[in-house]
Amino acid sequence: EAGVAQSPRYKIIEKRQSVAFWCNPISGHATLYWYQQILGQGPKLLIQFQNNGVVDDSQLPKDRFSAERLKGVDSTLKIQPAKLEDSAVYLCASSRTSEEETQYFGPGTRLLVL
Amino acid sequence: KNEVEQSPQNLTAQEGEFITINCSYSVGISALHWLQQHPGGGIVSLFMLSSGKKKHGRLIATINIQEKHSSLHITASHPRDSAVYICAVRSGGSNYKLTFGKGTLLTVNP
Repeated sequence: EAGVAQSPRYKIIEKRQSVAFWCNPISGHATLYWYQQILGQGPKLLIQFQNNGVVDDSQLPKDRFSAERLKGVDSTLKIQPAKLEDSAVYLCASSRTSEEETQYFGPGTRLLVL
Repeated sequence: KNEVEQSPQNLTAQEGEFITINCSYSVGISALHWLQQHPGGGIVSLFMLSSGKKKHGRLIATINIQEKHSSLHITASHPRDSAVYICAVRSGGSNYKLTFGKGTLLTVNP
């Protein structure tokens, strides 16, 4: 089965610009996660979807970050406007359900904000 | 204090050495995960533990629920084992949230 797909793999932008990341989870996986991983840190959950509904977005900086999963399949994460401290790898993961123990991770999008 | 602490942060070993990476956590959990992340690559799940011990090839993971501690062991280490190893704990809440440690960077030299 195909894995979690993410694009782009790399993105360089200037501060105050906007950027969007895309994720396509494994087919049939109801739960989708977006993580931010700053260099030298472990991933931090930004938002968790169950189908097209938000389960947890408590750590999402909502003044600049937004995410959607309108049809309950693929998802986009947007940053507008970007700050220098947003430089990180943005990881998408999916699991069959929220109770499913195994999360499958995509390759990540490496963002550099100059 | 982080909920999940890993040690060491960095580890350099010679090929063939036995390696241990430790993880301590401070919250109640339903499961603990060990994950592997290669440079520039995605994250791969190695183990999920809720008790006892699991073995897969040269990798062994143990957990002591009472002491809130887990270890990942690599026997006969090889340069291809070089990666970041991340411990993550799953809380028992309704959203089964994962909290990650900062990772241990392992370098195995030939």
